[in-house]
Amino acid sequence: NAGVTQTPKFRVLKTGQSMTLLCAQDMNHEYMYWYRQDPGMGLRLIHYSVGEGTTAKGEVPDGYNVSRLKKQNFLLGLESAAPSQTSVYFCASSRLAGDTGELFFGEGSRLTVL
Amino acid sequence: GENVEQHPSTLSVQEGDSAVIKCTYSDSASNYFPWYKQELGKRPQLIIDIRSNVGEKKDQRIAVTLNKTAKHFSLHITETQPEDSAVYFCAASRGDYKLSFGAGTTVTVRA
Repeated sequence: NAGVTQTPKFRVLKTGQSMTLLCAQDMNHEYMYWYRQDPGMGLRLIHYSVGEGTTAKGEVPDGYNVSRLKKQNFLLGLESAAPSQTSVYFCASSRLAGDTGELFFGEGSRLTVL
Repeated sequence: GENVEQHPSTLSVQEGDSAVIKCTYSDSASNYFPWYKQELGKRPQLIIDIRSNVGEKKDQRIAVTLNKTAKHFSLHITETQPEDSAVYFCAASRGDYKLSFGAGTTVTVRA
């Protein structure tokens, strides 16, 4: 099992460009999450999904959109990238709801917006 | 929403000594408290968790304690080893799918 896989692992964008981060999990988990990690701020929840076809806003959703068309995939989109979105993005999945079950993280995607 | 504060932000210990990281949370309804370890350049991984109906939990050299009255919980690492060097994150949840993470503690174990 590959677990949770994120692509791409690195990306440099110019302000205003768009991009999509792909997260795939092969553990048949219901719940999937997108976090961003910034120095001194820990992990902050952007959006999450409690099952195929569902999405919900997390702590810092502005400037991002998500989709969960298939159970195994969770896409994070930036429509018009801003320098404030420079960060490391982590996808995670869990069998149970994140509050009562282990989160399995991907390896992270480092995004730089110039 | 839930606010989790974590201290200290950095911690340097001599190999073999103990390390303690403390977190406080704001929402008295929080009932789940996991700890994640992130080695340099790697993904965060769960190392231990505790629920609100338990005061203490141990797993070999690591332990977590919870004080619901004071709304704080702590991670204790005994007999530290070089492989314990990492960033540790505490988190709290009230059961609404959202985990709120602390800012992290960078632990360095000196040989």
